[in-house]
Amino acid sequence: QVQLVESGGGVVQPGRSLRLSCGATGFSFSAYSFVWVRQAPGKGLEWVAIISKDGSHKYYADSVKGRLTISRDNSRNTLYLQVNSLRVEDTAVYFCAREDRDGYEFFDYWGQGTLVTVSS
Amino acid sequence: ETVMTQSPATLSVSPGERATLSCRASQTVASSLAWYQQKPGQAPRLLIYGASTRATGIPARFSGSGSGTDFTLTISSLQSEDIAVYYCQQYQNWPLTFGGGTKVEIK
Repeated sequence: QVQLVESGGGVVQPGRSLRLSCGATGFSFSAYSFVWVRQAPGKGLEWVAIISKDGSHKYYADSVKGRLTISRDNSRNTLYLQVNSLRVEDTAVYFCAREDRDGYEFFDYWGQGTLVTVSS
Repeated sequence: ETVMTQSPATLSVSPGERATLSCRASQTVASSLAWYQQKPGQAPRLLIYGASTRATGIPARFSGSGSGTDFTLTISSLQSEDIAVYYCQQYQNWPLTFGGGTKVEIK
């Protein structure tokens, strides 16, 4: 069955960097686009980045542009999110999610999320 | 940016009664509207896409309607397992945006 499993979260000091991973199983990873969506504690959902099937197209929310980099390794069935210059306001659960198979930007499978806490 | 506004923020409904959740877009999103359910400590779950199409495995008591700027998610007969926060998301315009959520609780 379809599974997405995030990892790489933790407690990190402001200004530091972190790389999150999302491993996929149970489907053809390279046939789908993926997103990262984050959720600050007690808050709603915020889309932050999207990557196309072959990784050639990437888009970011303005709030994170320049500090976050989304990437993928189709040979490893893994999605990544590099987060640089971390800020307290980046504290959130980060979810990876799979885009609809027909390329519409809604998300039919989500991982369980990985918590990033930015604190000194 | 397309701002998605959900109302009410909290909805109290008795078991077996109908729950009606609203989502309004600041500009037209045509029918490019999805609804998600999120239970505490869990990931969101896709309920509805294309404003009115139920996702695979979603019970028939969940239905979506609307187009343009005004959308509704209806739970025809609330069950205890439906207690959750519900989010709408538009995918017509960039950036992708979510509503602030409606928390559904048992009255």
